[in-house]
Amino acid sequence: GAGVSQSPSNKVTEKGKDVELRCDPISGHTALYWYRQSLGQGLEFLIYFQGNSAPDKSGLPSDRFSAERTGGSVSTLTIQRTQQEDSAVYLCASSLVGGIVPSYEQYFGPGTRLTVT
Amino acid sequence: TQLLEQSPQFLSIQEGENLTVYCNSSSVFSSLQWYRQEPGEGPVLLVTVVTGGEVKKLKRLTFQFGDARKDSSLHITAAQPGDTGLYLCAGAIFRGSTLGRLYFGRGTQLTVWP
Repeated sequence: GAGVSQSPSNKVTEKGKDVELRCDPISGHTALYWYRQSLGQGLEFLIYFQGNSAPDKSGLPSDRFSAERTGGSVSTLTIQRTQQEDSAVYLCASSLVGGIVPSYEQYFGPGTRLTVT
Repeated sequence: TQLLEQSPQFLSIQEGENLTVYCNSSSVFSSLQWYRQEPGEGPVLLVTVVTGGEVKKLKRLTFQFGDARKDSSLHITAAQPGDTGLYLCAGAIFRGSTLGRLYFGRGTQLTVWP
């Protein structure tokens, strides 16, 4: 079956502009995650959705960042008034079950490379 | 604050050598996973360990979860150039509002030369 897809694959934007990044999770996966990865770094957690609600948004770096998920499926990460430090690869992952199951697997998309000039 | 510390950060070895990557924390994890990431792609799950002391083998890769569930190691035997990539450990802690998220280490960049 289809894996996690993300669009666009690359985005170059000018400082101060707003951007929207899209994630299509694996069909039937109830949990969805957004991460950010800077050059040569590990993954920085941003936000986690269970269904359409976000029980953990503690990783969003500022109020310029927001995310929503509709229909328990597609999610959009929006960055307003982009800054150069927002440049990174934004990764989305989904899993079949999030929460109290002691082990679960996250499946990642290829990421969106965002460059703010 | 980095909850999981990975070492070494970089590893460059010749084909055929053995290597071990470590993932350490002062926190107890409900489960721990290892991922491998290649340039331009998202991480791909290699293994999940759940039980303290658990050892899992995947061909030439051996994964171990510490008895106290605070640390893990990845051992590769007879490394091959195809093993080159960024290896990431990630732990899950199931409590309160942090249900569902993974805590990632910074990764170990492995390069295997022919």
